[in-house]
Amino acid sequence: EIVLTQSPTTMAASPGEKVTLNCLASSSVSYMNWYQQKSGASPKLWIYGTSNLASGVPNRFSGSGSGTSYSLTISSMEAEDVATYYCLQLSSYPYTFGAGTKLELK
Amino acid sequence: QVTLKESGPGILQPSQTLSLTCSFSGFSLSTSGICVSWIRQPSGKGLEWLATICWEDSKGYNPSLKNRLTISKDTSNNQAFLKITSVDTADTAIYYCARRVRLPGSPFDYWGQGVMVTVSS
Repeated sequence: EIVLTQSPTTMAASPGEKVTLNCLASSSVSYMNWYQQKSGASPKLWIYGTSNLASGVPNRFSGSGSGTSYSLTISSMEAEDVATYYCLQLSSYPYTFGAGTKLELK
Repeated sequence: QVTLKESGPGILQPSQTLSLTCSFSGFSLSTSGICVSWIRQPSGKGLEWLATICWEDSKGYNPSLKNRLTISKDTSNNQAFLKITSVDTADTAIYYCARRVRLPGSPFDYWGQGVMVTVSS
């Protein structure tokens, strides 16, 4: 099983601040996907295929990485970005999610 | 327009079998490359993938649930199903179904709203 370790677990960022969320895989994966989940809502596809923004995602978001190390970056934090972000690998069964990074506003 | 909607019993007792239905529209599980998965989320916790079924009837299961899971589909009625046997309180969660087109780099692109399942005596 590929274990995904997300860091940090929780972080607070000020408006305008650059934010980087990390996802480390225990074995190499081909691509990484990211989901945003706000309280009481279903997860929303945010970034797929490592670096492709889902429809409607602001371009202040970006994704990068390869092998075992992936990241989601927000170039300039906004209040609406407050949420929990999960990474997901679909390279091999069992599919696995990271435990999530909770992003708060400072 | 792709939509998915989960349905289930709401509440059930320990040791019973949980039966979930995912009813979908806007795509067909007989189309090459299409898969439907089940994912769950206990309250306040993270997401856990449970099982996947694809157009050609291939299946994948989360080994952490050992042999308790059975996924199936009814292509004619645009539905996918998940059964979990011998439930206990740890199975209390929101259960989601999601679609994926099985191509490199493709994600779970559409999700249902989720259905809450409570296991309680």
